[in-house]
Formats: sequence, C-alpha cells, structure tokens
Amino acid sequence: DAKTTQPPSMDCAEGRAANLPCNHSTISGNEYVYWYRQIHSQGPQYIIHGLKNNETNEMASLIITEDRKSSTLILPHATLRDTAVYYCIVRVGDKAAGNKLTFGGGTRVLVKP
Amino acid sequence: GAVVSQHPSRVICKSGTSVKIECRSLDFQATTMFWYRQFPKQSLMLMATSNEGSKATYEQGVEKDKFLINHASLTLSTLTVTSAHPEDSSFYICSARVLPLGTGNYGYTFGSGTRLTVV
Repeated sequence: DAKTTQPPSMDCAEGRAANLPCNHSTISGNEYVYWYRQIHSQGPQYIIHGLKNNETNEMASLIITEDRKSSTLILPHATLRDTAVYYCIVRVGDKAAGNKLTFGGGTRVLVKP
Repeated sequence: GAVVSQHPSRVICKSGTSVKIECRSLDFQATTMFWYRQFPKQSLMLMATSNEGSKATYEQGVEKDKFLINHASLTLSTLTVTSAHPEDSSFYICSARVLPLGTGNYGYTFGSGTRLTVV
C-alpha cells in the first residue's frame, strides 16, 4: 500500500472548517484513500473513503486531486468533540485482498473555542 | 453499523501473569480480525492478523508465543498476553474487516481498546 504524509499537528477554531491535507504521491490506480480518527483512549473511528471522486457524508467531505496524489479531509464546522488524531490511509480496494490497515503518524487536531 | 465489543477496557496485572483480551463482533461475522498495539503518543502498530479457524499471522518482531491469538469462531477473537512484563503495558485494539462500505469494498471497524498496565 502507498505511503501517506500528513502534518503532525494543526489547530482550528470551533465553528470553522478544518482542512486536513494528506499526500499520497505513490498511490496506484486501485488504491482507495481512507480517513479514520482516534479520540483519546478510544479505538479509531471511520470517517470517509474515496477512490477518485470527491465524497461527502454526514461527518466530512473528501476532496481528491485529479492526479490522486493528494487529498484533503474537510470537517465543515469543527466542534470541540472533533479534537482527535486523524489518519489518512491508502490501501488496495480489493474484496479478495484482505489487506490490513497500516497507520502512519496522523495529524493531531486541536479544536479551540 | 458493524460493532466490535472489546473487553476489558482496562486491566492491571502483576508481572509474570497472563491477561486475556476479548473482541466480539456483535452483529456480523468477522472472518478476519486484526490486533494492534499503541504506545503513548504513538500510532497504532499492527501485531497480527487472525482468520477464523486458522493460525494467526504475526508481523515481524512480534513474539507469537508471548501474544497468543485465538479466533475459534466467527464472532470471537482473543489476545492473550502471556507472562506479562511492564514493557507490555500498552493500549491494545482489535479491528474486524467488514463488508460493505457502499462500494462493495471492505471497511474496518475497531474495538474500543484495552489499556493494559503491568506492575
């Protein structure tokens, strides 16, 4: 699976949009981009995933560049409860692959009042 | 959605004893479970992959005789830390592979984690 690069930390203001970048320049055509977050002392929580089209759900939006070498997770209106470590993960989207999720360093997001 | 229940949430044990951690899939069958370990301020590190009815596959550097994994049923996987020592103190998290995420692509759901402290 391709390696990802994320900034180690970022702050954002409560109520504002939080834009979390992720670089995955070695991504291949059949690899999906997944985002998970981990709130302190809990298991990771699924946020969103995508292949090449932009995606949106009730939690966030995922913007993937046309060349797929980078993506941005957008939390539209950050709340204090969004303070967490956010992980961008790339893996092969193959039902038969059974591949594991490999976590990088993630971005520690602190939402401030 | 798919839920994995992990117990206990925290445990303190004496050095030299063994500790068992359980993960149950509540509303789905988990043919594959993953076990992670996380030290403070660090990311999750995969320890092993277990498939129901077969032996677990351990990542490089993980002692299979120390971290015993059993996945005897489609709804239960256990991790036993044998002869625990203070350096085994960590946050242990299980994860199950689930279908689908709308695209027919596998997703993963995680347990809430177990904080192990060995004294």
